[in-house]
Amino acid sequence: ETGVTQSPTHLIKTRGQQVTLRCSSQSGHNTVSWYQQALGQGPQFIFQYYREEENGRGNFPPRFSGLQFPNYSSELNVNALELDDSALYLCASSPGLRGQYNEQFFGPGTRLTVL
Amino acid sequence: SQQGEEDPQALSIQEGENATMNCSYKTSINNLQWYRQNSGRGLVHLILIRSNEREKHSGRLRVTLDTSKKSSSLLITASRAADTASYFCAPTPYNQGGKLIFGQGTELSVKP
Repeated sequence: ETGVTQSPTHLIKTRGQQVTLRCSSQSGHNTVSWYQQALGQGPQFIFQYYREEENGRGNFPPRFSGLQFPNYSSELNVNALELDDSALYLCASSPGLRGQYNEQFFGPGTRLTVL
Repeated sequence: SQQGEEDPQALSIQEGENATMNCSYKTSINNLQWYRQNSGRGLVHLILIRSNEREKHSGRLRVTLDTSKKSSSLLITASRAADTASYFCAPTPYNQGGKLIFGQGTELSVKP
């Protein structure tokens, strides 16, 4: 176990709805990254937060947004859900200045299904 | 693409055999990391090798890095059924804030 927790474990939504996924980082880690993993694919970087500020973003539309709180936990929000948003969403935390070049500790993921 | 590309996509071996997975990438990197994933669960960090290192060991794992060829390999010796998982390499480019860029991975099956 990495100490990174995510909730919920599974979620089913319908097209057009909005969803919020949550992540608690490992103690002492100030950087959180979010990844989307479609079935049979590798994880794709969504964005990273360092001390409550966005610190890099992947190729995802603005309806994917995030937040990091003072305790370094984080949320991923997705608006106007599409069928292709169905995936495993992974949160990873890391220590150090901006989490650069460090190993990342992953949570178990949230499985989102969009119908 | 800057992502790591693993080869082979799938590998099936018998328990006790060695498993070798390869990774190629296209950009200059600060380090390269290998991760393991069991059945759609979270990823587990295996090993990190820095760009100025050529080889690194951790238990039954051996990782090599050739920055001139932009390639890396992961060797698992004396494999066990419990090693069955997907393995991903993640080259970490310079000036990318530490984001990991994964390929599709190698699916390893170790048969008892």
